Amino acid sequence: EAGVAQSPRYKIIEKRQSVAFWCNPISGHATLYWYQQILGQGPKLLIQFQNNGVVDDSQLPKDRFSAERLKGVDSTLKIQPAKLEDSAVYLCASSLVTGAGELFFGEGSRLTVL
Amino acid sequence: AQSVTQLDSQVPVFEEAPVELRCNYSSSVSVYLFWYVQYPNQGLQLLLKYLSGSTLVKGINGFEAEFNKSQTSFHLRKPSVHISDTAEYFCAVLGGGFNKFYFGSGTKLNVKP
Repeated sequence: EAGVAQSPRYKIIEKRQSVAFWCNPISGHATLYWYQQILGQGPKLLIQFQNNGVVDDSQLPKDRFSAERLKGVDSTLKIQPAKLEDSAVYLCASSLVTGAGELFFGEGSRLTVL
Repeated sequence: AQSVTQLDSQVPVFEEAPVELRCNYSSSVSVYLFWYVQYPNQGLQLLLKYLSGSTLVKGINGFEAEFNKSQTSFHLRKPSVHISDTAEYFCAVLGGGFNKFYFGSGTKLNVKP
């Protein structure tokens, strides 16, 4: 079974530039999450999708971050314009909607903002 | 909202020694509890989980954790660690409805030869 796929693995940009990250969850997983993991901290939920609808985006900085999940499958997270404090690893995870949903994580996309 | 506290940010230990990584959560209702491991430059992988039943949960790689409801704790243990256990470990709580996960800040386990 293929795992959660993310790209790119690494990205370096200058502040005020834009960046986009892509995630393809495990087939059949209805719930998709984007987490931000700043160095030395635990993952912080940015946005949670159930199929193609948003369940929770309360911690998403909506003035610069946006995310979509077209057709309830893969998802894109965009940052525009980036700030220095956005330097982090962006983790995508997916889970089945039923049961005590174990999260399956991708390898993450490491963003460095200079 | 739930909160998860991992009391130790770093734990150094010698190979073959026992280790305990501590986790406390804030909740007065039933929760599901998880431990995840993160190796360098990788995503998080599930070590073990507590959903219900026996309070002692066994996971992969010889790890186990004990759910203690009265102390709201879910400490992770291994009787004898290996160099390959060097990684960061995250405790997580599933609660608050609709698959909402809350993660602790992580504990870096550094196993020395």
